[in-house]
Amino acid sequence: QQQVKQSPQSLIVQKGGISIINCAYENTAFDYFPWYQQFPGKGPALLIAIRPDVSEKKEGRFTISFNKSAKQFSLHIMDSQPGDSATYFCAASISRNNDMRFGAGTRLTVKP
Amino acid sequence: DAGVTQSPTHLIKTRGQHVTLRCSPISGHKSVSWYQQVLGQGPQFIFQYYEKEERGRGNFPDRFSARQFPNYSSELNVNALLLGDSALYLCASSLAPNGGEQFFGPGTRLTVL
Repeated sequence: QQQVKQSPQSLIVQKGGISIINCAYENTAFDYFPWYQQFPGKGPALLIAIRPDVSEKKEGRFTISFNKSAKQFSLHIMDSQPGDSATYFCAASISRNNDMRFGAGTRLTVKP
Repeated sequence: DAGVTQSPTHLIKTRGQHVTLRCSPISGHKSVSWYQQVLGQGPQFIFQYYEKEERGRGNFPDRFSARQFPNYSSELNVNALLLGDSALYLCASSLAPNGGEQFFGPGTRLTVL
């Protein structure tokens, strides 16, 4: 069953704009929330991750916002670049094991 | 510094055959997880192994099995292949069986005809 819902399915942003991808989860036992970036023909690459004891984490142009009460988290990509064009997956897991549940993915296209 | 490696890169099989996929984790990582990624979807958890012991299993039939070797490399075996088994099979390694952070290999693209 799907435990992590991701939206939108696809996103087109102009170069320099902000890309926002949203995820919602069901299982309140989840305590680790990573975002992965995947290029065609490649495996997912870990971008940034957050744990529920903080509401925001920023690494360079990438920021995760986390709302524990709403069971939602989002990825913001500032100053989006054509090289950011990829599929992005949110995920959630219970850190006592590594059974990670993924969203369905968002295909991001950044137009030059 | 080598990341997670997987072999083969691509594989074509016919229905009913079996397949073995291989994974070498990042040096020092003792946990390996396997995921199936069907085209257009997110990866789905199949197995986790740590110190040669199965630590977790996803909702996959018994046709799927795996093992981990003393050097922490791992094999995923799928018997009696079905058309629906066509997917990208991903291996992820981590230092420990918990904690969350996993690093993925490039995957093996399996096509079942």
